Amino acid sequence: GAGVSQSPRYKVTKRGQDVALRCDPISGHVSLYWYRQALGQGPEFLTYFNYEAQQDKSGLPNDRFSAERPEGSISTLTIQRTEQRDSAMYRCASSPSDLGNEQFFGPGTRLTVL
Amino acid sequence: DQQVKQNSPSLSVQEGRISILNCDYTNSMFDYFLWYKKYPAEGPTFLISISSIKDKNEDGRFTVFLNKSAKHLSLHIVPSQPGDSAVYFCAARGSRNRDDKIIFGKGTRLHILP
Repeated sequence: GAGVSQSPRYKVTKRGQDVALRCDPISGHVSLYWYRQALGQGPEFLTYFNYEAQQDKSGLPNDRFSAERPEGSISTLTIQRTEQRDSAMYRCASSPSDLGNEQFFGPGTRLTVL
Repeated sequence: DQQVKQNSPSLSVQEGRISILNCDYTNSMFDYFLWYKKYPAEGPTFLISISSIKDKNEDGRFTVFLNKSAKHLSLHIVPSQPGDSAVYFCAARGSRNRDDKIIFGKGTRLHILP
């Protein structure tokens, strides 16, 4: 399909393990955003890229979280030494413009840390 | 501190009547507002937006009203249809410093009753 895809859709891991979440944006989209969404809450901004440049990472909770988009397309959000509080839905969105006014969201990755 | 507030967690409206979803914001730097709609197990989808230079934007059955002095916006859906049952997120963006973060509210679950 032509939409944003994320993989895996579900990830269960043990505390202390590293996880890598992948986002495939819509082809040609300039901006890519990562959000975290807890149950019953709206999406919480984590970080975003324009092309391959990470413009803002102020939403990343701590230095265990990192993201990259090396070729300006696919992005990976990595969480090192996972903790139970990291359990959430992680959503990726892409936008055709660098203003990011209209973002197209992927289905999300549900992360559960045991 | 919530910058975008949706104070009604849920709303039930009879099919064919008008649905009004409300949103308040606290940051006067916000200059662009968006509404997203989300079905279960799917990512949020963009619905309609409004720039702060306008007070109304209409797209088919959906109209967004912005009252800058009150820092309030609302989404009107008329007539409401069964397929409108979803969670609606209000979101805001500030662009004066090219800050492209979009801040989301917690969402309002809309139930359209037959």
